[in-house]
Amino acid sequence: DTEVTQTPKHLVMGMTNKKSLKCEQHMGHRAMYWYKQKAKKPPELMFVYSYEKLSINESVPSRFSPECPNSSLLNLHLHALQPEDSALYLCASSQLLRGPRPGELFFGEGSRLTVL
Amino acid sequence: KQEVTQIPAALSVPEGENLVLNCSFTDSAIYNLQWFRQDPGKGLTSLLLIQSSQREQTSGRLNASLDKSSGRSTLYIAASQPGDSATYLCAAPPNYGQNFVFGPGTRLSVLP
Repeated sequence: DTEVTQTPKHLVMGMTNKKSLKCEQHMGHRAMYWYKQKAKKPPELMFVYSYEKLSINESVPSRFSPECPNSSLLNLHLHALQPEDSALYLCASSQLLRGPRPGELFFGEGSRLTVL
Repeated sequence: KQEVTQIPAALSVPEGENLVLNCSFTDSAIYNLQWFRQDPGKGLTSLLLIQSSQREQTSGRLNASLDKSSGRSTLYIAASQPGDSATYLCAAPPNYGQNFVFGPGTRLSVLP
């Protein structure tokens, strides 16, 4: 099973709403990632969790709040977003080999977020 | 800081042609390099992973090569098919980190 599952697939929210994106993997991977992708652009890294601890935050605004409740789950809590935050949000996971080195990266299908 | 570029940005070819997609990176201290495919509005599908100690990796009609010293990787697609139409991206993490840096991608269109 090389599946990363993301829910919901589509989300529409207002600027004052609070919502969450969820991601799950059962491959035993110990690194999990959030990426943001705008149309016709490559994915941009937002956060990385290694062994359930936040290891990378690419200077993401605090209106995005990641959470890793256990080694299989990753959440992204959204609050007071702006229309320019509308994008495809991708979750990924990988093994960690020889310490921090990542193995093959596997992506979910993404959550399409629209902020009105 | 690692920078990854891909050439060409877009490619349109008739069915049956053999193709070469190029990926260049500025920092050769990479642990591995991965090629992905992305269909419109979908997630990324892993195609091939090349470890830094390897020179080539093959899967079906796909062959990827890696030359760390020159900072280049190529993806070779044999006998292209319309179903190969997608955006192809390469990405590489640094030697001791997980911040994969992606290239901008090559948009491939294979015409029947």
